[in-house]
Amino acid sequence: ETGVTQSPTHLIKTRGQQVTLRCSSQSGHNTVSWYQQALGQGPQFIFQYYREEENGRGNFPPRFSGLQFPNYSSELNVNALELDDSALYLCASSKPRQGNTEAFFGQGTRLTVV
Amino acid sequence: QQQVKQSPQSLIVQKGGIPIINCAYENTAFDYFPWYQQFPGKGPALLIAIRPDVSEKKEGRFTISFNKSAKQFSLHIMDSQPGDSATYFCAASKGNFNKFYFGSGTKLNVKP
Repeated sequence: ETGVTQSPTHLIKTRGQQVTLRCSSQSGHNTVSWYQQALGQGPQFIFQYYREEENGRGNFPPRFSGLQFPNYSSELNVNALELDDSALYLCASSKPRQGNTEAFFGQGTRLTVV
Repeated sequence: QQQVKQSPQSLIVQKGGIPIINCAYENTAFDYFPWYQQFPGKGPALLIAIRPDVSEKKEGRFTISFNKSAKQFSLHIMDSQPGDSATYFCAASKGNFNKFYFGSGTKLNVKP
């Protein structure tokens, strides 16, 4: 077990709705990254939060937004859901420092948009 | 543009065989190359990682070979077991913050 927990594990939403996914990072880790993994594909970087600030964003529209709390847990919010948003959403926690860039993933949230 | 290309898409080997999965990258600024193992319904788990200052790294039955000039790296699994059947992803990142670019994955099936 990585110590990174995500909730919920599964979720079904209707097109146009909004969803919030949650991630608790491993103890001592101050950085959380979010990834979208479509079926049969590799994870794609959505954005990263470091010490409560956004620290880089991938090629995702503004309706994907996030937040990091003082305890370093994080939320991913997706507005105006589209069918193509159906995927496994992964968060990864880490404590970036020189020479050590290991990241540990949670089990993911399976989002289905109908 | 795909930053990390992975092959093959799928691989079948007999128990005890040595599956090899290959990855190629474009960005010479990448300085950290991990391999992740993912079982169905689970998140990716870090297997082994390498930095470009070494050409090979071994951890147990897993070996990464790295060719900096060719911008390629590969994963070898020695004495493969049915329990190794999973999807394997290579990835790359640069700097201290691990914003990974992942390959498309290789589904490995190790037959008993």
